[in-house]
This record gives sequence, C-alpha cells and structure tokens, in this order.
Amino acid sequence: AQKITQTQPGMFVQEKEAVTLDCTYDTSDQSYGLFWYKQPSSGEMIFLIYQGSYDEQNATEGRYSLNFQKARKSANLVISASQLGDSAMYFCAMSPGWNTDKLIFGTGTRLQVFP
Amino acid sequence: GAGVSQSPRYKVAKRGQDVALRCDPISGHVSLFWYQQALGQGPEFLTYFQNEAQLDKSGLPSDRFFAERPEGSVSTLKIQRTQQEDSAVYLCASSLGTRTGGESPLHFGNGTRLTVT
Repeated sequence: AQKITQTQPGMFVQEKEAVTLDCTYDTSDQSYGLFWYKQPSSGEMIFLIYQGSYDEQNATEGRYSLNFQKARKSANLVISASQLGDSAMYFCAMSPGWNTDKLIFGTGTRLQVFP
Repeated sequence: GAGVSQSPRYKVAKRGQDVALRCDPISGHVSLFWYQQALGQGPEFLTYFQNEAQLDKSGLPSDRFFAERPEGSVSTLKIQRTQQEDSAVYLCASSLGTRTGGESPLHFGNGTRLTVT
C-alpha cells in the first residue's frame, strides 16, 4: 500500500535554531516524487520542496532541505534558522508512479517556533 | 488573479441540502485537482481534471459527489444531499503541466470550509 507516515504530531523549536520534521513513505514504485507543503492557519497549502526518486542529491530551497534516504524510505524536512513565521502545519506528500498526478499526504506535523 | 481562488470561503448547509463549491485555477494551468481535508488530517484526493476531461474520479466518496470543468478552467464540486460526514475543508489545486513534479507543483487555494448541521 502507498502511504506517508509522519510520526510527530507537534514540534517546538526556538527561533534561529534548525528543526527536522520526519517523514517515511511506503511504495513499491521505482519512480515517485516526494513533496513538502506548509499550511498556515489561513488554510492554503504552500509548496516548499520536491525530491524525485532518481535524484541523487538532496533537494534544497533556501532554508529548506530534504534529507532523502532512499533505502530507509525517508524524506525528512530540515528547516534551518527557524523564524516565527515558520509556525504552521507541515505535510509530507508523495506522488507515486509514472502516470499518476495525485498526491498522497501524511497527517502532518504542527511546528511552533518560539522566541 | 495570481493564485487559485475558491468560493465561498465558508459554507454552512443543513443536512440534505445541495452545495456547490467553486474553484478558479491559475490561468493557463492544465491540471486541476479537488482534495478533501478532514479536521486534523492531511488532504485526501477526490478527483483530477486535465483541461475539461475528468481523468480520475476514484477518490469521490459517493455518487452524491460530482465535479465538472466544462471549459477547462473554472471547476465546480457539487455535493448533493449533504451529510454530516461531508463536513471538511475542500481544497482545489492546479498545476501547469500534466505531471506533478518539482517543475510543476500543485498550487492550492485557501479552501472552502463546509459545515453540515
């Protein structure tokens, strides 16, 4: 079964520190994509970062990086230098297979950044 | 507009009423998706359009749910005879290409929060 697991319902981090949000996935497909989205209280899902299953290097986008460990089927999000505005829900998602566009989401992690 | 626009932002319906939720995708975006997000959960796929063609409706929970995108831009999600279990946030997303990836990620709207009483 194709599934995304996020085991941390909530995380706290102090401003300017780094934080890692965990994500593991399950798929039998060889080709797939992994995504992280941020959902602030306004409700909009904001795309953060993408990792393709065949990408050998970990993806980075500004303060966001994706720690991709294919053998472990993990795709953890690392946020460096946390800011108060980073407080939000974070969802890991997978797009399985070659010909599917639907995303499978995890249950999310609520991150709270404190001063 | 610059982003995906959904209306109404909030909808309260009495059980048994029909509702219609609207989505205006980003101009030029080929792909359009509807997701349902229950409280405290991640979004769950409902249906997918490529232009006006509904290519996948495997996530629609029952035949009370119907979606259309007749001219390949604006889409409407209709729920007939609403039930309490339909209460959720309904998210619309669009993407430029036909394959979701880093170069064509999904862009989501703010969602419509549906409450069925």
